[in-house]
Amino acid sequence: GENVEQHPSTLSVQEGDSAVIKCTYSDSASNYFPWYKQELGKGPQLIIDIRSNVGEKKDQRIAVTLNKTAKHFSLHITETQPEDSAVYFCAAPLNQAGTALIFGKGTTLSVSS
Amino acid sequence: DAGITQSPRHKVTETGTPVTLRCHQTENHRYMYWYRQDPGHGLRLIHYSYGVKDTDKGEVSDGYSVSRSKTEDFLLTLESATSSQTSVYFCATGIGKATEAFFGQGTRLTVV
Repeated sequence: GENVEQHPSTLSVQEGDSAVIKCTYSDSASNYFPWYKQELGKGPQLIIDIRSNVGEKKDQRIAVTLNKTAKHFSLHITETQPEDSAVYFCAAPLNQAGTALIFGKGTTLSVSS
Repeated sequence: DAGITQSPRHKVTETGTPVTLRCHQTENHRYMYWYRQDPGHGLRLIHYSYGVKDTDKGEVSDGYSVSRSKTEDFLLTLESATSSQTSVYFCATGIGKATEAFFGQGTRLTVV
């Protein structure tokens, strides 16, 4: 089955700086890579996702890049703001059937003003 | 929260007692999932369902069972709760394969 590793586990940045979180996966057949944001006391919510037929996707201040050869994908947040402080999770399909997602261990991002 | 209701939201139970957590959805999503969240472990998949009465094991299924008798309800049962099952449990739903998962608000379970 798939295995997802996420780094770093914690990340502290100053407001306005960029933040990058990286995940690696093990199954070269995986084709869907979402990123979730979890605020305190809430369930995770999708913020951006990418499929294996594209290398990069952007949505305002966030972007995701995918390197299929190296089997890693990254979340980039530019011009960070205090409200970006949260736990971020990457995920990949559990199996080739894509019937479930498995998640990385999460990154706690702290943005100080 | 995509019409997902988890109940109860908080529960304290004693070691050795059975516990059932309920997930109810109003979105008619085919897929439903149970995850547990623990510090240092992130979100781990317990069981999932791909249709009524169709379920499969996830990463950490030992000690848990599930049932789905209706599209809208997915039950997670701890047959005999242990302290290692103290966790926050999240239910999620999905429309199809390799697509977005929508999460509920979570259930905090404490086994004493």
